[in-house]
Amino acid sequence: DGGITQSPKYLFRKEGQNVTLSCEQNLNHDAMYWYRQDPGQGLRLIYYSQIVNDFQKGDIAEGYSVSREKKESFPLTVTSAQKNPTAFYLCASRDPGRGQETQYFGPGTRLLVL
Amino acid sequence: DAKTTQPTSMDCAEGRAANLPCNHSTISGNEYVYWYRQIHSQGPQYIIHGLKNNETNEMASLIITEDRKSSTLILPHATLRDTAVYYCIVNSGYALNFGKGTSLLVTP
Repeated sequence: DGGITQSPKYLFRKEGQNVTLSCEQNLNHDAMYWYRQDPGQGLRLIYYSQIVNDFQKGDIAEGYSVSREKKESFPLTVTSAQKNPTAFYLCASRDPGRGQETQYFGPGTRLLVL
Repeated sequence: DAKTTQPTSMDCAEGRAANLPCNHSTISGNEYVYWYRQIHSQGPQYIIHGLKNNETNEMASLIITEDRKSSTLILPHATLRDTAVYYCIVNSGYALNFGKGTSLLVTP
C-alpha cells in the first residue's frame, strides 16, 4: 500500500529529553512537511522540505530540528529547548501532480510530557 | 496567503446535503481554494481544490463565486462518517495555512 506512516502513535518524553518522531512515505513525493496541532486548534507548520538535503523553517520551528537525507524519510526531533511539546504531530507529503498543495497526511504522533 | 473565514460549527441531518461556506475576500488571482477535513484524532484528508471553475469529484463539489471571494463545499448526501472539522484554505505557496475550520456534526 502506498502512503505515509508515522511512528510511534504515542510518545512520552521526560523533562530535558530529546525525542525523534518518524515519518516515512512511499509515494515518491519530493516535498514533505511537519505540522503541530494543539487541542481545538488548527495545524501550524514546523518545518518543510521540498527536496532531499534541503529544508525550511515554518512558523514555529524553535525547539525542533529535522533532516532529509532520503526522499522517503523526514524525521522530526523535539529538543529540550521546546518548552511546551505536548501536542499532536502530523507529517505530510505533497503530490505535485494534483495541484500546488495537495498534501497527504500520516496518522499522527501524540507526544506527551511526563 | 489570503485569510479565510468559516463558521465555527454546523449541523446537518443524515442523507441531506451539507453546504459549508467559506469567505476569502482577499484572494489573489493565482491562489487556489483547497478543502480538507479532519476526523477526530486522525490526519487531515484532502477533499477537493479549485481556482476559478466549479469542481466535482467522488467526495464533494466545490462552488466558487464569480468574483472568487467566497466558496461553498457541498457534500451531497451527508453520512454520519462525514462528521469532522472541515478546513477551507487559500494558498499559492509551498505550505497550507490551516485555521480552526468548521466542525460539522451529521445527525441521524
